[in-house]
Amino acid sequence: DIQMTQSPSSLSASVGDRVIITCQASQDIRNYLNWYQQKPGKAPNLLIYDASTLETGVPSRFSGSGYGTDFTFTISSLQPEDIATYYCQQYDNLPSFGQGTRLEI
Amino acid sequence: EVQLVESGGGLVKPGGSLRLSCAASGFSFSNYTMNWVRQAPGKGLEWVSSISGRSSFIYYADSVKGRFTLSRDNANDSLYLQMNSLRAEDTAVYYCARDFDSHFDFWGQGTLVTVSS
Repeated sequence: DIQMTQSPSSLSASVGDRVIITCQASQDIRNYLNWYQQKPGKAPNLLIYDASTLETGVPSRFSGSGYGTDFTFTISSLQPEDIATYYCQQYDNLPSFGQGTRLEI
Repeated sequence: EVQLVESGGGLVKPGGSLRLSCAASGFSFSNYTMNWVRQAPGKGLEWVSSISGRSSFIYYADSVKGRFTLSRDNANDSLYLQMNSLRAEDTAVYYCARDFDSHFDFWGQGTLVTVSS
């Protein structure tokens, strides 16, 4: 099984800050890496797929990069509505998720 | 508009069974692999199972293998998860999610399963 290590587990930032979350895979997953946002009491929402492709309708302040085992998710200028938990997910073989990053202001 | 609506959750005793359903609409259901993902209270996301469009391929997480059975009815645009021998650690919100080219692009609102005596 492929393990995903996401960091940090929680993060406090201010409006306008640049926020970076990392995700490391236990083996090469090429670019089969997705990022989801989940707000309390809601289902997850896809933000980025294939490591760097922005899902339709997602604001351009969100971005992703990486290949192989190391990946980065960035919010260029944090907005109040970005308060949520963020998860990476690999899908090179059977899917698995990182443990999540809780983002607070 | 794509919609996924889960149902069938509830309170069940350890060792009991439950069948979850996911009703799909707004897309050609048989063309998509579908998944179940669960989330224990206050915890992260855990992939549970997936089934290809024609049910040719079905996969399970090790944590549910041998206890859960995933199936689908393409004629009725529905997905089912039969859960047997339920344990306390199966307590979670269960989401169905559409799989589009190796990412989950649409999710249902979830249904809560509580396993407790």
